[in-house]
Amino acid sequence: DARVTQTPRDKVTEMGQEVTMRCQPILGHNTVFWYRQTMMQGLELLAYFRNRAPLDDSGMPKDRFSAEMPDATLATLKIQPSEPRDSAVYFCASGSFPPGGEGDEQFFGPGTRLTVL
Amino acid sequence: AQKVTQAQTEISVVEKEDVTLDCVYETRDTTYYLFWYKQPPSGELVFLIRRNSFDEQNEISGRYSWNFQKSTSSFNFTITASQVVDSAVYFCALSEASKLTFGKGITLSVRP
Repeated sequence: DARVTQTPRDKVTEMGQEVTMRCQPILGHNTVFWYRQTMMQGLELLAYFRNRAPLDDSGMPKDRFSAEMPDATLATLKIQPSEPRDSAVYFCASGSFPPGGEGDEQFFGPGTRLTVL
Repeated sequence: AQKVTQAQTEISVVEKEDVTLDCVYETRDTTYYLFWYKQPPSGELVFLIRRNSFDEQNEISGRYSWNFQKSTSSFNFTITASQVVDSAVYFCALSEASKLTFGKGITLSVRP
């Protein structure tokens, strides 16, 4: 049963520290998404990649957040320096979108719960 | 801009009651997709259904049913004979260029 995996599942860090979250999409999926979930804002799209190329990162604070896909099996979301307001659950999702297609299901990972003290 | 409104924030029912979760959306696209996801207390997001804008047929899957009405821009979800295991947060979402815009979610509590 193919699943999206995310590490770490929980991360507690102190303000100012660098945080890196990792995601392994489902093999064969060409699109990877990063979402953030908070009580106040709900689920928000931060960035997404298709065929490893960044397509949209307009939801991401550019000064401290960065997202990359070093290869097809790994996506990373980095926060440097972290701040208490970054505390949230970060979800990675992947999907298989044909050219011009947009309606396919996204499969979500279990999330990384980040707490910045 | 895309927008999804889930006006109900919390619903509490007794087991075996039917419950309907409302979803209203806004989009300028003529082709779009609507989704429902479930987030149980364990935190993962579970896909329930996808519907494209050209298919207004209602769908039933076991105790779950969905009513899509383009005329009112609504995509409502009904659980028949609710069970305690249905307790979760339910999200409606709208797809634009493969990006999902989520509603704020509805917390459903089913009491025994």
